[in-house]
Amino acid sequence: EIVLTQSPSSLSVSPGERATLSCRASQTITSTFLAWYQQRPGQAPRLLIYGASSRATSIPDRFSGSGSGTDFTLTISRLEPEDFAVYYCHQYGSSPQTFGQGTKVEI
Amino acid sequence: QLQLQESGSGLVKPSETLSLTCTVSGGSISRGAYSWTWIRQPPGKGLESIGYIYHSGSTYYNPSLESRVTISLDMSKNQFSLKLNSVTAADTALYFCARGVTIFGIDPWGQGILVTVSS
Repeated sequence: EIVLTQSPSSLSVSPGERATLSCRASQTITSTFLAWYQQRPGQAPRLLIYGASSRATSIPDRFSGSGSGTDFTLTISRLEPEDFAVYYCHQYGSSPQTFGQGTKVEI
Repeated sequence: QLQLQESGSGLVKPSETLSLTCTVSGGSISRGAYSWTWIRQPPGKGLESIGYIYHSGSTYYNPSLESRVTISLDMSKNQFSLKLNSVTAADTALYFCARGVTIFGIDPWGQGILVTVSS
């Protein structure tokens, strides 16, 4: 099983600032089957990024993903109030699919 | 627009069977190379993949749960279901159904249903 380790576990930033979230895999992820999700309190996760760097439909361009192999990054360029949430990375190239433990982005 | 909605019992006694159904609207579960997926999230914790099923009926279960899990399809009702037997308090979680897409990951998700295991 591929273990995904996210860092930091929480991140305090101000609106308008940049946030950089990391996801490291215990093994190389097949064909960059790496996604990022946003989960606001009381809501289901929402797909932000797939294939490591492609934005999902209707996701603002302040969200960007990068990386390959075992190291991946989600960057939020200018934080808006609605971006304060928990973010999860997810690998779906190997079974069982696994998720990171999450990074909470706080004001 | 595809939407998924979980339903089922929110309270299950220890050692009994958890049963949930996901109703899909806005698209057919019998079409496309999608996996119909169950994921859970214990209170205050992260996400765990339970397993998924294709419209062909083939399934994959997380090895950590495989001995207790069954996922099935009902194409006539455009639903898929989860059964988890011999539950314990550790199975208390928010259970999500979702669509898996080979290149996208998981999208969309249902809103989730809280299942508590307690006597």
